[in-house]
Amino acid sequence: AQKITQTQPGMFVQEKEAVTLDCTYDTSDQSYGLFWYKQPSSGEMIFLIYQGSYDEQNATEGRYSLNFQKARKSANLVISASQLGDSAMYFCAMREAYGQNFVFGPGTRLSVLP
Amino acid sequence: DAGVIQSPRHEVTEMGQEVTLRCKPISGHDYLFWYRQTMMRGLELLIYFNNNVPIDDSGMPEDRFSAKMPNASFSTLKIQPSEPRDSAVYFCASSRQGASGNTIYFGEGSWLTVV
Repeated sequence: AQKITQTQPGMFVQEKEAVTLDCTYDTSDQSYGLFWYKQPSSGEMIFLIYQGSYDEQNATEGRYSLNFQKARKSANLVISASQLGDSAMYFCAMREAYGQNFVFGPGTRLSVLP
Repeated sequence: DAGVIQSPRHEVTEMGQEVTLRCKPISGHDYLFWYRQTMMRGLELLIYFNNNVPIDDSGMPEDRFSAKMPNASFSTLKIQPSEPRDSAVYFCASSRQGASGNTIYFGEGSWLTVV
């Protein structure tokens, strides 16, 4: 069963605008972590932001924030004030407390337009 | 601090040859993961280790693939014999044990082309 769903294969956003990348997940665990990674064209995987299942506040890291809606099992990434350097693949991932494995979604390719 | 170190960064080999990919995880990390990334299948977990012990190898495609972790600072992924469909980027990653908040850190990947 697909544990992480990213329904947007590709997204476009105008420079300086905000963009939301969708992520839904499936787990029966009560304790889990949600992560977002960025993969630019150079290929490396860059950790962006983390949200714990018990965290009541949405995580923020600079221009990145995670819109966590536990009841809906969604963990959307919001990028504010997009920059050209934000053009990349973005992966949502989950780590369940039991098993300790990381499961990744299929990714969303974001293109920032000048 | 040094990140996850992988070698080689790029390898081109002929079908049938043995390929060995190497990984040095971040010091102090208890978990080591091997992922494969292709356009068609995305990021796939091949195998992961905890304290040098393989925990889940259900993602290893077939008997041609094998992985070892002889100590806490070194792991190998071998493909023997290699086939063109093995062409992909192979990532090694590591993390600490504990709460689900311990994030996974990736190496820069080994770009494998089998011709």
